[in-house]
Amino acid sequence: GENVEQHPSTLSVQEGDSAVIKCTYSDSASNYFPWYKQELGKRPQLIIDIRSNVGEKKDQRIAVTLNKTAKHFSLHITETQPEDSAVYFCAARAGNNRLAFGKGNQVVVIP
Amino acid sequence: NAGVTQTPKFQVLKTGQSMTLQCAQDMNHEYMSWYRQDPGMGLRLIHYSVGAGITDQGEVPNGYNVSRSTTEDFPLRLLSAAPSQTSVYFCASSYSWSVNYGYTFGSGTRLTVV
Repeated sequence: GENVEQHPSTLSVQEGDSAVIKCTYSDSASNYFPWYKQELGKRPQLIIDIRSNVGEKKDQRIAVTLNKTAKHFSLHITETQPEDSAVYFCAARAGNNRLAFGKGNQVVVIP
Repeated sequence: NAGVTQTPKFQVLKTGQSMTLQCAQDMNHEYMSWYRQDPGMGLRLIHYSVGAGITDQGEVPNGYNVSRSTTEDFPLRLLSAAPSQTSVYFCASSYSWSVNYGYTFGSGTRLTVV
């Protein structure tokens, strides 16, 4: 099955700086890559997603890039704010239609 | 439109007890699933359903049963609770199994087995 890995496991950034989280996946048939944000004690919420026919997608301060050849995709957060502090999960949807999640990245924005 | 509703929010069970975690969605979503979240392990798929009457196992199905008699409801049953089942459980749904849509998660059930 699909295996998704996230790096780094924890990321600390100064408020206003950018944060980048990278995920790698194993199944070349994967065609859908969502990112979820989970604040402490809350449910995961979809923040952005990208399909395999697109290389980059932006939504205000967040963007996702996809490199199908290298089988990795990244979440970019610009002008980070304290409310960006959370755990971020990447996921990949493989040929079996199941969504496989990474283990999550803790992002800490330091005021 | 309530989205995905899970009950209860918290539960403490004794080893060997059984219980059912409830999940209901009012979005007419085709796909429903159950995940467990443990520290450092991410979200692991327990069982899923692609429509009423259809269920299948995920990566960690042992000790759990599911059924999908209606589009709206997807309960998760713990047959004989074990301390290893202490976890946070999330129900998630999506508009379609075959088309790429994001998941909507419920608020979770924090289960402790003593």
